[in-house]
Amino acid sequence: DVKVTQSSRYLVKRTGEKVFLECVQDMDHENMFWYRQDPGLGLRLIYFSYDVKMKEKGDIPEGYSVSREKKERFSLILESASTNQTSMYLCASSLGLAGGNEQFFGPGTRLTVL
Amino acid sequence: QKEVEQDPGPLSVPEGAIVSLNCTYSNSAFQYFMWYRQYSRKGPELLMYTYSSGNKEDGRFTAQVDKSSKYISLFIRDSQPSDSATYLCAMKERGSTLGRLYFGRGTQLTVWP
Repeated sequence: DVKVTQSSRYLVKRTGEKVFLECVQDMDHENMFWYRQDPGLGLRLIYFSYDVKMKEKGDIPEGYSVSREKKERFSLILESASTNQTSMYLCASSLGLAGGNEQFFGPGTRLTVL
Repeated sequence: QKEVEQDPGPLSVPEGAIVSLNCTYSNSAFQYFMWYRQYSRKGPELLMYTYSSGNKEDGRFTAQVDKSSKYISLFIRDSQPSDSATYLCAMKERGSTLGRLYFGRGTQLTVWP
């Protein structure tokens, strides 16, 4: 079974703090993704990565950065957290190239920025 | 303009009802169509996957794709309270090598006993 794990289920941070959200997958997937999910807005892609050290901006990258130093790990970084970044953050992974259509999701991290 | 449109609901039906969930899209390059189910406080999980046009059935679930109308549907027969969840449609472009999916906003479904 594919497993995608996220470092925290719930996180509370203060405005201006640097926040790290970690995601690990155990199926040797090439592609990894970070989304945020807000009521009424659905899933919005922040960043994705198709290989180690490679990244692509999604639809809402502003205020975020990412790091992929190892194939199995993809980190989302909020350089200076703001209240409008309060959200559910979901990580996903999939096989690379034509072999992968299905994305496997982690359980999510609910981040609250005060 | 959002590429994938999905009515967010909420949708509330009695147990045993037939449920119809729909998405429309504008990108002709979409070739792979998926439905994900997301229970409260969980990540989405793949429910149905369809390639190009046509129907696919899996138990009480049927996925339909009409590429000429740019319209996809998910039907749930004999709905159960355990079907209560948010359903998200997702699509992938033909020839995409980066694995990016385009999601609808999700429809929240409640099936009451």
